[in-house]
Amino acid sequence: EVQLVESGGGVVQPGGSLRLSCAASGFPFRSYWMHWVRQVPGRGLAWVARIDGDGRKTNYADSVKGRVTISRDNAKGTVSLQMYSLSVDDSAIYYCVRVGLGWLAFDSWGQGTLVTVSS
Amino acid sequence: QSLLTQPPSTSGTPGQRVSMSCTGGSSNIGRNVVNWYQQLPGAAPKLLIFSDRQRPSGVSDRFSASKSDTSASLAISGLQSEDEADYYCAAWDDSLNVLLFGGGTKVTVL
Repeated sequence: EVQLVESGGGVVQPGGSLRLSCAASGFPFRSYWMHWVRQVPGRGLAWVARIDGDGRKTNYADSVKGRVTISRDNAKGTVSLQMYSLSVDDSAIYYCVRVGLGWLAFDSWGQGTLVTVSS
Repeated sequence: QSLLTQPPSTSGTPGQRVSMSCTGGSSNIGRNVVNWYQQLPGAAPKLLIFSDRQRPSGVSDRFSASKSDTSASLAISGLQSEDEADYYCAAWDDSLNVLLFGGGTKVTVL
């Protein structure tokens, strides 16, 4: 069974940093692109970043570019999102997702981890 | 404002057919496949349709989708109470080099 379990969320002050992690299991992790998607509670979905199976190719949403780094450790089966210079606009539930069907189709989602940026 | 435009809401009675649109442009829907997600209240989103019109295993055939030029649509036939959810379309944008989500359509079963 495919499982994606996020961790690392919490309350952080504006300007602070946070590192989110996602532990993947139940599938050949190295073979899959992984993404992060966020959602302000009660609002819509927003794509954040993606990384290829080897960890060499990455893309970021304009809203986080330069402040966020996505990375992965294929030996450990984890994908991470390092976030810097956080603002209140970064407050959201962050989902770790796997591309599994078709092109850019997210067939597996984690339960999400909540990030709250507040003073 | 999202570059993929969805109506904020739609509704229907049990058994009815409802549909919703997702309007984009030549650099996203016009060039790339559209995927659709269903998000039930309090839950993570779930893949509903991939590659414009394909259903993952386990998704009811009451859900169908299509695409034409720069617009896509999702239809739900035989509407049921458990279909009450938010529905999102998504497509890659070749010009912006980002994945776009529509703003979501809330389906209410009356």
